[in-house]
Amino acid sequence: AQTVTQSQPEMSVQEAETVTLSCTYDTSESDYYLFWYKQPPSRQMILVIRQEAYKQQNATENRFSVNFQKAAKSFSLKISDSQLGDAAMYFCAYRSLPFTSGTYKYIFGTGTRLKVLA
Amino acid sequence: DAGVIQSPRHEVTEMGQEVTLRCKPISGHDYLFWYRQTMMRGLELLIYFNNNVPIDDSGMPEDRFSAKMPNASFSTLKIQPSEPRDSAVYFCASSTSGGPRPEFFGPGTRLTVL
Repeated sequence: AQTVTQSQPEMSVQEAETVTLSCTYDTSESDYYLFWYKQPPSRQMILVIRQEAYKQQNATENRFSVNFQKAAKSFSLKISDSQLGDAAMYFCAYRSLPFTSGTYKYIFGTGTRLKVLA
Repeated sequence: DAGVIQSPRHEVTEMGQEVTLRCKPISGHDYLFWYRQTMMRGLELLIYFNNNVPIDDSGMPEDRFSAKMPNASFSTLKIQPSEPRDSAVYFCASSTSGGPRPEFFGPGTRLTVL
């Protein structure tokens, strides 16, 4: 069964600095998708970035980038030039491709709370 | 598009009462998901639908929970009878099939069962 592990319950970063949130996963599948979601105090789940496993190039969205290491099953999120608005819970998520039955698995990690210090 | 719409945003009820949570997915999305989030268990997938058909309900905790999707624009999650341990934030999300399309989440319903 697939699992997603976020080993850092909480992280802190100074405003304008860079922080990296870690995520590891376990799967026997070769193709899948990985996501990072942000959940601010409003509770809204917001997509930050996505990565297709078959793509070797790491995804980038403005100040957010990932370090995708497929062999190591690692998918870390780097936030550059951290801003106060980045303070939130961050969830790593795994999604399998649809099986022939049309089902797939979507698994979330337990989250990392990011604090941004002014 | 208005995004995924959930109602109510907050619900407080007493143990034993029936609770119905509602969701309107994004137009054109053919997948709909119900999640539950608690401090203890994190974010759990309860059930999801594809083209209004329940595909995987293995995450539904008990028979007290039921979900329906009578049409492409509406879904309900019902708890009957409710218990204090059902207190959580319930999210509805929708997505399209194919590709790395993520799920778009609604604002959630915070349920408190006294």
